Amino acid sequence: SYELTQPPSVSVSPGQTARITCSAAALPKQYAYWYQQKPGQAPVLVIYKDSERPSGIPERFSGSSSGTTVTLTISGVQAEDEADYYCQSADSSGTVVFGGGTKLTVL
Amino acid sequence: QVQLVESGGGVVQPGVSLRLSCAASGFTFSNYGMHWVRQAPGKGLEWVAFIRYDGSNKYYADSVKGRFTISRDNSKNTLYLQMNSLRAEDTAVYYCAKDATDLVAAATGFDYWGQGTLVTVSS
Repeated sequence: SYELTQPPSVSVSPGQTARITCSAAALPKQYAYWYQQKPGQAPVLVIYKDSERPSGIPERFSGSSSGTTVTLTISGVQAEDEADYYCQSADSSGTVVFGGGTKLTVL
Repeated sequence: QVQLVESGGGVVQPGVSLRLSCAASGFTFSNYGMHWVRQAPGKGLEWVAFIRYDGSNKYYADSVKGRFTISRDNSKNTLYLQMNSLRAEDTAVYYCAKDATDLVAAATGFDYWGQGTLVTVSS
């Protein structure tokens, strides 16, 4: 089955750049999506189709793809970016897969 | 603006059934596939089910296949999740989510989420 692997945690200081990776274990992935989730809140889409940013999402959020790995980059991290981040994709059989999530800590 | 409002959660005993609803507004509901996603307490997101925009195709996670049924009523802009034979491991917040791409047969991603409804399965 399709799996997406994320690091459990990433820590950065304010103003630094955070990079969160998401790797597909097997076949080349389809488009990836990234979600931010703060405690007690519903997830929010921050990147779609690997690298597109929805309206209203700050420019410091960006996405990239290389082979079977996608990366969410947050440039100039702010305290408000502290949250859990999930990558997600869909396989060719029509099912959806999430990565295990990465807790971003702003030191 | 897009709104997704879930209802129907609660505390139930193992083995019973429950039906969740999701009232959608602010977009052309009949043009978009819809999903249910759940999150157990302190855990990550788990996709549960997807239904194509016209209801003709449905997909399920292995963990709920044969027990849960996703459906929709495009005349009422409402999504449903019928949950049968509930187990303790089904305890979670259940989110309704809108697919990001219109008029496609398969799932892509989620651009809007509801606030969720809590289902607790406990004796």
